[in-house]
Amino acid sequence: GNSVTQMEGPVTLSEEAFLTINCTYTATGYPSLFWYVQYPGEGLQLLLKATKADDKGSNKGFEATYRKETTSFHLEKGSVQVSDSAVYFCALIENTGNQFYFGTGTSLTVIP
Amino acid sequence: NAGVTQTPKFQVLKTGQSMTLQCAQDMNHEYMSWYRQDPGMGLRLIHYSVGAGITDQGEVPNGYNVSRSTTEDFPLRLLSAAPSQTSVYFCASRRLAGGPETQYFGPGTRLLVL
Repeated sequence: GNSVTQMEGPVTLSEEAFLTINCTYTATGYPSLFWYVQYPGEGLQLLLKATKADDKGSNKGFEATYRKETTSFHLEKGSVQVSDSAVYFCALIENTGNQFYFGTGTSLTVIP
Repeated sequence: NAGVTQTPKFQVLKTGQSMTLQCAQDMNHEYMSWYRQDPGMGLRLIHYSVGAGITDQGEVPNGYNVSRSTTEDFPLRLLSAAPSQTSVYFCASRRLAGGPETQYFGPGTRLLVL
């Protein structure tokens, strides 16, 4: 079956630190991969996506590369800001499927 | 575009009461879905619909009903609320044609069942 596994949180970083949130997946077909972000009290918003192997998604300084050989889609940012404090969800959907599969989310807090 | 809207934002129910969570989208998306979000469990799919008149069960459908009479609306009904249904509920929608499309989420409804 399909599933997404994210690193356990919460994660606390100082401003300007480097961020990595690990995400690995299991899929029966060929998935597209997504990172969503949820700010406090809000719904989920798309952060970035990649639709095939070796694609790199990027947005707002965040990056993630679709690695088929390691079935991973790790989220990185070189220098985090206080405004990046949120919960981050990794997700997949098979290219021929209807259903999204989400990880459990990783809470990030950035302190000044 | 208003995107995906949900009402109410917050609701308190007593055990056994019924209610309907409303969801609407103005993007003409074929696919709509309901998730619940619980601590440590991420988002779990309750029900989904691929078009008007078509609904199907997700991962955790028990205790919930849905209908899709129009493309725009996808209400979620709790027939007899239980404390285990205390959660944050998100409605989402997306296009179906053209491959895997981004899913858009509403702002959520916080439900407390006493």
